Amino acid sequence: DTGVSQDPRHKITKRGQNVTFRCDPISEHNRLYWYRQTLGQGPEFLTYFQNEAQLEKSRLLSDRFSAERPKGSFSTLEIQRTEQGDSAMYLCASRPGTTPQETQYFGPGTRLLVL
Amino acid sequence: AQSVTQLGSHVSVSEGALVLLRCNYSSSVPPYLFWYVQYPNQGLQLLLKYTTGATLVKGINGFEAEFKKSETSFHLTKPSAHMSDAAEYFCAVSPLNTGNQFYFGTGTSLTVIP
Repeated sequence: DTGVSQDPRHKITKRGQNVTFRCDPISEHNRLYWYRQTLGQGPEFLTYFQNEAQLEKSRLLSDRFSAERPKGSFSTLEIQRTEQGDSAMYLCASRPGTTPQETQYFGPGTRLLVL
Repeated sequence: AQSVTQLGSHVSVSEGALVLLRCNYSSSVPPYLFWYVQYPNQGLQLLLKYTTGATLVKGINGFEAEFKKSETSFHLTKPSAHMSDAAEYFCAVSPLNTGNQFYFGTGTSLTVIP
C-alpha cells in the first residue's frame, strides 16, 4: 500500500495560466475525491468519481474547474485561467468502495499559488 | 445540509496535560464520524472513526473520542499531551444516506507548550 500520491506538491503560476494536478489513488480504490482547502479552513468538497464516472460535479467552484478519471485509475484536476482566489491546497482522497462508513485516505496535497 | 462545528480554532495545552478538542454535528440522523490530523504541509491522516457499536472509540497515538447522540457531539481527547501532538485537527462527518463526500469542520490548531 503506497498511499495516495499527488503531483506536483507545489505549483506557482501566474494569473490567467492553466494548471493541471494529478492524483494517483490507492490501488483498487473505486472512489476518488477532490477537495480544496484554504488557509484556516477545513477541506471543501469539489467532486468525486466512482471508477471513471464523475458522479458529482455541481460543487466544482466554477466552469474553469474540471476533473477527469479516464481509465478509473489516476485523476486530473484542471483549473483554467487561474485567478488569485484559486490559491489553496488541493487534496485528493480515495476509498475502497461506496459505503459511507469507509475511511477516505488523503494524499499530501498540491499547494497552488497564483501570482 | 450537514454541518460540523469545532469550537475553538486554537487550543493550547501544557505537555502532559489533558487534550480536549470539541466537535458537534448537525443532523437529525447521526452520521458516521471521523477525526483527522494534519501536520504542516501534509495531507490528512485518520485518527479514529465512529460507525456503529461502542460509543467510545480509540484511535492512534493515544487519542480517543466519544460519540454522544444526545449532545450531537464527538469530542476528541488524549489524557496526556505530547509535543508531537501539535498539529491541526479536523472533525468530519459522512452522512448515512449518501456515502459520498465528507463534511469537515474548520479545524482546531493544537499547540503543546513544553
